[in-house]
Amino acid sequence: GENVEQHPSTLSVQEGDSAVIKCTYSDSASNYFPWYKQELGKRPQLIIDIRSNVGEKKDQRIAVTLNKTAKHFSLHITETQPEDSAVYFCAADDDYKLSFGAGTTVTVRA
Amino acid sequence: GAVVSQHPSRVICKSGTSVKIECRSLDFQATTMFWYRQFPKQSLMLMATSNEGSKATYEQGVEKDKFLINHASLTLSTLTVTSAHPEDSSFYICSARDRGAGEKLFFGSGTQLSVL
Repeated sequence: GENVEQHPSTLSVQEGDSAVIKCTYSDSASNYFPWYKQELGKRPQLIIDIRSNVGEKKDQRIAVTLNKTAKHFSLHITETQPEDSAVYFCAADDDYKLSFGAGTTVTVRA
Repeated sequence: GAVVSQHPSRVICKSGTSVKIECRSLDFQATTMFWYRQFPKQSLMLMATSNEGSKATYEQGVEKDKFLINHASLTLSTLTVTSAHPEDSSFYICSARDRGAGEKLFFGSGTQLSVL
């Protein structure tokens, strides 16, 4: 089955700086890679996603890159704000099920 | 985006009782729903895939007799935790695919189960 690894597990950044989270996946059949933001006790919220036929996607301060050959994808958050503090999960979808990374706790220091 | 409703949001029960959690897709039909379990500060672990009109597919290590899943309609899946024990205390969350939204997965609001 799919194995998704996510790094780092925790990330502390100064407000205004950038945050980068990296994930790798093992199953070449995975073709959809969403990123979720989860606040304590809440449901995961989809923040951005990318499909395997695209190398990069950007939505305002958030961008995702995908290297299908190397089987890794990354989330980039620029100009971080305190409200960006949360747990972020990457995931890989093989059209059957979604496998999650272990999560990254992001803390934005004011 | 699509809306997935999950109830109840919080359950506190005595050991040995059974608890039913409902997951509904409100504005789309979901042939497949997924049930996840999440322990504090951990990731979402897939428990089972619920298919409308057929038996659920359980992940390795998940007891199907312990976690009963029923997906009787295209908009409703239920998870019943039978004879709950304190170790079953966890955050349970469902999700459903909206094929009309490019196969994206939308999550319910989750159920915090506490077994005393």
